[in-house]
Amino acid sequence: GQQLNQSPQSMFIQEGEDVSMNCTSSSIFNTWLWYKQDPGEGPVLLIALYKAGELTSNGRLTAQFGITRKDSFLNISASIPSDVGIYFCAGFTSGTYKYIFGTGTRLKVLA
Amino acid sequence: GAVVSQHPSWVICKSGTSVKIECRSLDFQATTMFWYRQFPKQSLMLMATSNEGSKATYEQGVEKDKFLINHASLTLSTLTVTSAHPEDSSFYICSASGTTGGGSYEQYFGPGTRLTVT
Repeated sequence: GQQLNQSPQSMFIQEGEDVSMNCTSSSIFNTWLWYKQDPGEGPVLLIALYKAGELTSNGRLTAQFGITRKDSFLNISASIPSDVGIYFCAGFTSGTYKYIFGTGTRLKVLA
Repeated sequence: GAVVSQHPSWVICKSGTSVKIECRSLDFQATTMFWYRQFPKQSLMLMATSNEGSKATYEQGVEKDKFLINHASLTLSTLTVTSAHPEDSSFYICSASGTTGGGSYEQYFGPGTRLTVT
């Protein structure tokens, strides 16, 4: 199935550092979503973006919907150990009513 | 966010038997439910999309006779893995979607079901 390109694939960072990850697509989406998944659990919605250029924050998380509607990025500021997990982006198109997921970014935070 | 439950959270079954997984949206009406499959250290792969009261739409390569989906109400969808084989062992996750205020489409996931076929 189709997947979005997400980078980096994995990253180790020190506690307190900022983290940035992005997601790119060859297709245009109406909505971009960012999720975090802990081992053995379902993904949890972090941020939803609905308009090109939109910048939205949720606590230490900030995400932007790219102007071209083909990309999005997620920033995590001042990372803490509980930020460890896998982060997935997802693009949604109302025409097909499908959510296409990114390949995931595995984040590990070193205390 | 909305709450989606999934039952069972894990199941072990013998090869050749069938297993049913339930997905419920607890506090909103889900116009659409999705079923995903996830292999270790991989992303979620969409298996099928189901709308209440209509037949599910399966993704290419997913056998509809093997993975039976029923979406009987706006709060319940079931996935039945028929004649399960060891290669069907995986983490199955459902999600529910419905319009929130303003016409936004947000998707909320259940906690997943780990299926092991022996």
